[in-house]
Amino acid sequence: DSGVTQTPKHLITATGQRVTLRCSPRSGDLSVYWYQQSLDQGLQFLIHYYNGEERAKGNILERFSAQQFPDLHSELNLSSLELGDSALYFCASSVGTVRDEQFFGPGTRLTVL
Amino acid sequence: QKEVEQDPGPLSVPEGAIVSLNCTYSNSAFQYFMWYRQYSRKGPELLMYTYSSGNKEDGRFTAQVDKSSKYISLFIRDSQPSDSATYLCAMTEYGNNRLAFGKGNQVVVIP
Repeated sequence: DSGVTQTPKHLITATGQRVTLRCSPRSGDLSVYWYQQSLDQGLQFLIHYYNGEERAKGNILERFSAQQFPDLHSELNLSSLELGDSALYFCASSVGTVRDEQFFGPGTRLTVL
Repeated sequence: QKEVEQDPGPLSVPEGAIVSLNCTYSNSAFQYFMWYRQYSRKGPELLMYTYSSGNKEDGRFTAQVDKSSKYISLFIRDSQPSDSATYLCAMTEYGNNRLAFGKGNQVVVIP
């Protein structure tokens, strides 16, 4: 157990809908990262927050947004969902920002029907 | 061309064999190299971390980096059924925590 928690474990929804994925980092970690894992693209970096501030963006779609709250938990919002958004979404956390090991949560499996 | 290339083919080996995995990369700015292990229905966990060319050993695992060739490898000696998992290479630039992953190799160690 990495100490990173993600909810829900599974999410099934329809195209066009909006969902929110939640992540609680390990105690003491200030950085939260979001990754998307699909069969065709592999594991792809989406976005990084450090202590409430956005630090880096990857190939994150405009339909997706994220935030990190004062208690350091983070939410990833996915809207206008398409079939191709079906994937595993992982949250990771680390102590700081540079060269720290990233600890991954168990992931949320999103299925868009 | 993807930043990190890892031939995603599955690999089946008998128990006790040496497993050899590798990745190539195109971004010269990558300075830190990692191997993650991902069991089915779990998140990736860090297995090996290195930042210099050469070999790094940790028990049955050896990570090898050749920056001049932009090539990294992972060797698993005396493989065990518990090593059955997907292995992902990952790398990042100095001052940047964005991990760039390979697609992963599913390894099955047959008892």
